[in-house]
Amino acid sequence: DSGVTQTPKHLITATGQRVTLRCSPRSGDLSVYWYQQSLDQGLQFLIQYYNGEERAKGNILERFSAQQFPDLHSELNLSSLELGDSALYFCASSVEASPGELFFGEGSRLTVL
Amino acid sequence: AQSVSQHNHHVILSEAASLELGCNYSYGGTVNLFWYVQYPGQHLQLLLKYFSGDPLVKGIKGFEAEFIKSKFSFNLRKPSVQWSDTAEYFCALRNTGGFKTIFGAGTRLFVKA
Repeated sequence: DSGVTQTPKHLITATGQRVTLRCSPRSGDLSVYWYQQSLDQGLQFLIQYYNGEERAKGNILERFSAQQFPDLHSELNLSSLELGDSALYFCASSVEASPGELFFGEGSRLTVL
Repeated sequence: AQSVSQHNHHVILSEAASLELGCNYSYGGTVNLFWYVQYPGQHLQLLLKYFSGDPLVKGIKGFEAEFIKSKFSFNLRKPSVQWSDTAEYFCALRNTGGFKTIFGAGTRLFVKA
């Protein structure tokens, strides 16, 4: 158990819908990262937050947004969903903004039908 | 732009065989390099990391990796694999002092008992 909790574990929805993925970091970790893993793709970095502020942005679509709340949990919002958004979404956390190690959750598997 | 390339997407070995997984990266500055592993049904976890110093890094479970700066490589090795090493292995890079960790596409290793 890494200490990072992601919900839901599985989610099935239809095209055009909106979903919210939630991540609770390890106790004491200030930084949260979101990654997308599609079929035969590596982990694509989406976005990072540190203590509530956005620190780094990757290839995150405009239809996607994220935030980190005062209690340090984070949510990734995916809207106007397309078939190609079906993927495993990982959250990771670390103590510092420039980390030596990331601690990953088990992921949220999103299926868009 | 930073990128990480893993040469083999799928590797099948028999128990006791030696393992070498290739990883090359693209970045002109100083880097921190990582190998993560994801066992079936589990979260990603750190195998080993290189920040500076001895380019031969030893990690958990008998794994090691060698940083060769001139070749922009950070290959993962294990002299004798076990069935329990069946997993997906990810090479990752972060520019020193940077925020985002970039991952390769991953290599799925299957070890036959």
